[in-house]
Amino acid sequence: AQSVSQHNHHVILSEAASLELGCNYSYGGTVNLFWYVQYPGQHLQLLLKYFSGDPLVKGIKGFEAEFIKSKFSFNLRKPSVQWSDTAEYFCAVNARTGGFKTIFGAGTRLFVKA
Amino acid sequence: DSGVTQTPKHLITATGQRVTLRCSPRSGDLSVYWYQQSLDQGLQFLIQYYNGEERAKGNILERFSAQQFPDLHSELNLSSLELGDSALYFCASSVGLAGYTDTQYFGPGTRLTVL
Repeated sequence: AQSVSQHNHHVILSEAASLELGCNYSYGGTVNLFWYVQYPGQHLQLLLKYFSGDPLVKGIKGFEAEFIKSKFSFNLRKPSVQWSDTAEYFCAVNARTGGFKTIFGAGTRLFVKA
Repeated sequence: DSGVTQTPKHLITATGQRVTLRCSPRSGDLSVYWYQQSLDQGLQFLIQYYNGEERAKGNILERFSAQQFPDLHSELNLSSLELGDSALYFCASSVGLAGYTDTQYFGPGTRLTVL
């Protein structure tokens, strides 16, 4: 069965620090990969997604993620975080032959100190 | 604002009761998804409908059921409620059958508290 692991449940950074959130999935076939963000009191929204092509994907608000097929990973990065990036971040995977289920990771709560 | 609406925002009820959560997808979206978000289990996929038909099932309990109506709104029915059903229930919608590549747009959620 598909599963998604997010390594860090809580991350605390100071403003301007660099961010990398880990995401690994377990599925051997072709996958679609997503990062969603949930700001405090708001609904989940898409940060970026990967379907095919360039494994380095750029999303909104300066976020990017790199798909490394050999490592089954899709880590999220941002070179310099801001206080407004404080949110919960979810990695999600949808396998193209696994039906229409999107499996979410447990989420990583990021707190950015001003 | 994602364009997905959910009602009610909050619901407080007692164990053993039955509740109905409602979701209206974005205009033009044919697929509706239901998720449960709890502190101990994270965001769990429950069920997906496409144009009125069930398309995928996740970790949905037998006490829970859903349907999508001809006008494409969806309802999630939760019965014989238990304390552990307290959670945030999200609805999401997407354009259509290309579920693999569709971006899902999430609603604000319904917070269910079972006392």
